[in-house]
Amino acid sequence: QQPVQSPQAVILREGEDAVINCSSSKALYSVHWYRQKHGEAPVFLMILLKGGEQKGHDKISASFNEKKQQSSLYLTASQLSYSGTYFCGTAGGAAGNKLTFGGGTRVLVKP
Amino acid sequence: DGGITQSPKYLFRKEGQNVTLSCEQNLNHDAMYWYRQDPGQGLRLIYYSQIVNDFQKGDIAEGYSVSREKKESFPLTVTSAQKNPTAFYLCASSIGERQHGYTFGSGTRLTVV
Repeated sequence: QQPVQSPQAVILREGEDAVINCSSSKALYSVHWYRQKHGEAPVFLMILLKGGEQKGHDKISASFNEKKQQSSLYLTASQLSYSGTYFCGTAGGAAGNKLTFGGGTRVLVKP
Repeated sequence: DGGITQSPKYLFRKEGQNVTLSCEQNLNHDAMYWYRQDPGQGLRLIYYSQIVNDFQKGDIAEGYSVSREKKESFPLTVTSAQKNPTAFYLCASSIGERQHGYTFGSGTRLTVV
């Protein structure tokens, strides 16, 4: 099953913070986060592996709670360049790196 | 520079025609993937290949076919059996191990006319 992302959309002013959640009904080995600008390819942001780690990419960070099968992406002090659609991709316990993507969260950062 | 090249960028297909979307990578990645994206929606997996001469069906493989004769190339054929092929098609590659992210191509927008 596809992971569920929430919220579906968020509008921010520059400098504000936001959290995007990704929940799965299946046990997870890893969670990927990608950002896609309109009409472009998704760009890899970060990956979180089983073990509950937290990672950061500039002022974007993420956490992974494997017990709850959830990951959260934190946009801190948002910039205009953060606008786009954010997708989580999840990989289960089987070998390989096949990802199932969530439906996406549209983020719009306004001046 | 290393990357993934998808061609063409735009493709128009008549009803009943087969069309082939090209995907080439020079990243020396073992694994390659095809995803379909419909407007306002997420990515759905069509086919994937973890090694040359081997590939597996994804969640929506019906009406599509692939081949993986070379490590660098993973073409996708959209057959006439695919009843609703209009979509944005994305090819991706990865090292193949679970701790590595995907690199995506720039996509092919297919429209049925």
